[in-house]
Formats: sequence, C-alpha cells, structure tokens
Amino acid sequence: ETGVTQTPRHLVMGMTNKKSLKCEQHLGHNAMYWYKQSAKKPLELMFVYNFKEQTENNSVPSRFSPECPNSSHLFLHLHTLQPEDSALYLCASSQDRERGGLDTQYFGPGTRLTVL
Amino acid sequence: AQKITQTQPGMFVQEKEAVTLDCTYDTSDPSYGLFWYKQPSSGEMIFLIYQGSYDQQNATEGRYSLNFQKARKSANLVISASQLGDSAMYFCAMREVSTNAGKSTFGDGTTLTVKP
Repeated sequence: ETGVTQTPRHLVMGMTNKKSLKCEQHLGHNAMYWYKQSAKKPLELMFVYNFKEQTENNSVPSRFSPECPNSSHLFLHLHTLQPEDSALYLCASSQDRERGGLDTQYFGPGTRLTVL
Repeated sequence: AQKITQTQPGMFVQEKEAVTLDCTYDTSDPSYGLFWYKQPSSGEMIFLIYQGSYDQQNATEGRYSLNFQKARKSANLVISASQLGDSAMYFCAMREVSTNAGKSTFGDGTTLTVKP
C-alpha cells in the first residue's frame, strides 16, 4: 500500500449505531488530520494530531471521537450520529516540523458516510 | 472574513485549450504556502502544486502552473492543454506558518468541465 488509505470507502449507518473509520498513512509522516466535506460546503478541519498529540479540535460534537495510537494510524469513532453528519470524511497526513512548516498534506480517498 | 476565495463555481474549457482557475487569499502572515488540489468524482483529494510566499518564481508541475501575484494576493492555477481527465473539482488552500501546525484553509472549489 502506498500513500494514505482509508476504510471503509462507503458506510451506511443508523443513528443508534457505533462505527469507526480507519486511516493509515504509508508516507512516514508525523501529522494526521480528519476533514469533513459536506455537499455545498467548504472542507472543514475536524481534528489534527501532530506527533501523536491532538492539537486541534474545531468544536466538533462529542459524537465524533478521534484516536491516534501511533503516527501511522488514525481512527474516527462514531456514535449516535445525526443525518446531517452524512458527508465525505477525508483523512490527510503531512510531515510537520516543530518550528512550523508548510509541508503538503496528502489525502486519502475518503469515506462516504450516510446516516439514516 | 473568508481567507480563500474562489469566485468561479463552474468553468468550461475545450479539450487541448488552456484554462485559468482563480484564487485570491487573505493573510497578514508574511510566511505562508498556497496549494491546489484536484478532486475527481471519486472523492480523493489529489495534490497538484505548491507555492511558497517567499518563492521568487511561479511554481510549475507538468501541465500545471501557478500564477502567483503576491501584491494582489492571488494564486491562480493554469492548466495547459486540457484533457478530458481534468474534469473535476479544484480547490485552492492556504497554510500559514503562524497558525497551529496543520491548519489549512480551503476555498469553496471550482468545478471544471473539459469538453471534447
């Protein structure tokens, strides 16, 4: 596998279900991100992990719970979601430097989530 | 205030012709990076090209070039010799050194359709 992979690619779930999205990066990067892309809305940054520590949480509802066990893996745990949470969830990674840097973010193919 | 503005919701271009996709940005940070991504209907966000704020020359990557006009705060993407496979959504993004590492701001995107 190369680049950034995401599983599953498609997910349909009911509002009472619990599911997890998985992201894996094979680029040796030290930072990973979750983005949400809804129809007719700009890309929204949800969570950032730099060096395995969460450094950003953009007021995301608690029904979304991220987990970053190591620098290569990132999960997004979902529970009691709402229909408006239906969207494309994109994972990305980059090689960030402690003193700041502008390295490119590379994205996975996304998980298309539908909440019924 | 919106930091990245893409004023063209949709663009059409004839195959083999060149097309320019507009992007203007707003920042007070002297150090920043500008990125363009392509998103086909499959959903994956594909990195195309990067321009640093201190770069003296416009970035080029194959058929992609970035027309960087710093004083006007614009970073337009030029695609030369358009191909049918170029039909996709294109996003302009910015990362500022002063913000938390990893934070990118994306524009609303431009849908490009290449006509045969």
